[in-house]
Amino acid sequence: EADIYQTPRYLVIGTGKKITLECSQTMGHDKMYWYQQDPGMELHLIHYSYGVNSTEKGDLSSESTVSRIRTEHFPLTLESARPSHTSQYLCASSGGFRAQGKLFFGSGTQLSVL
Amino acid sequence: DAKTTQPNSMESNEEEPVHLPCNHSTISGTDYIHWYRQLPSQGPEYVIHGLTSNVNNRMASLAIAEDRKSSTLILHRATLRDAAVYYCILMNYGGSQGNLIFGKGTKLSVKP
Repeated sequence: EADIYQTPRYLVIGTGKKITLECSQTMGHDKMYWYQQDPGMELHLIHYSYGVNSTEKGDLSSESTVSRIRTEHFPLTLESARPSHTSQYLCASSGGFRAQGKLFFGSGTQLSVL
Repeated sequence: DAKTTQPNSMESNEEEPVHLPCNHSTISGTDYIHWYRQLPSQGPEYVIHGLTSNVNNRMASLAIAEDRKSSTLILHRATLRDAAVYYCILMNYGGSQGNLIFGKGTKLSVKP
């Protein structure tokens, strides 16, 4: 059973606000990921991390930023939210070879920017 | 980057087997074949994975072609709870994250 948590589950916010989406995992996984998914559409990788102090951009350009100061925590920040940021954001982690690379996903944060 | 091709949608009747195909003609020798499914309003969940041999678990079976250029996820008896989008992806544990491309997947509908 996955032990990866995302908060908040839903967020409605006005344009221009700074927001941080939280993601934490208790499995000790080195690799963590953020995906963005619009309704009925495919998942797009926007950020990933191989470990503490390691962050990379994914295949979809995003105005968001991430940090990885602790293994278990991988927050995503939008400095100034816009309506175009409205989407579902999914966090995932994987444990490398011993876990055979399985991805564990959180339940997601549905972000609506008015 | 190795990519996969899946049909956009499939239909099945409840309690009948379902075979979900996936083509991955550019697969490399170190790519594992993973299947995930996403139920409505949820994050994807792991279903099964394999490298060369066929695999079985409590959720499904995975049949991998001998040349590894295609695979099939088999649900032995579909239930209404199996209605979801099924994703076939290739994962290289060596670290190239470009392989984590989900694509659009196959939307499986199950009729009572």
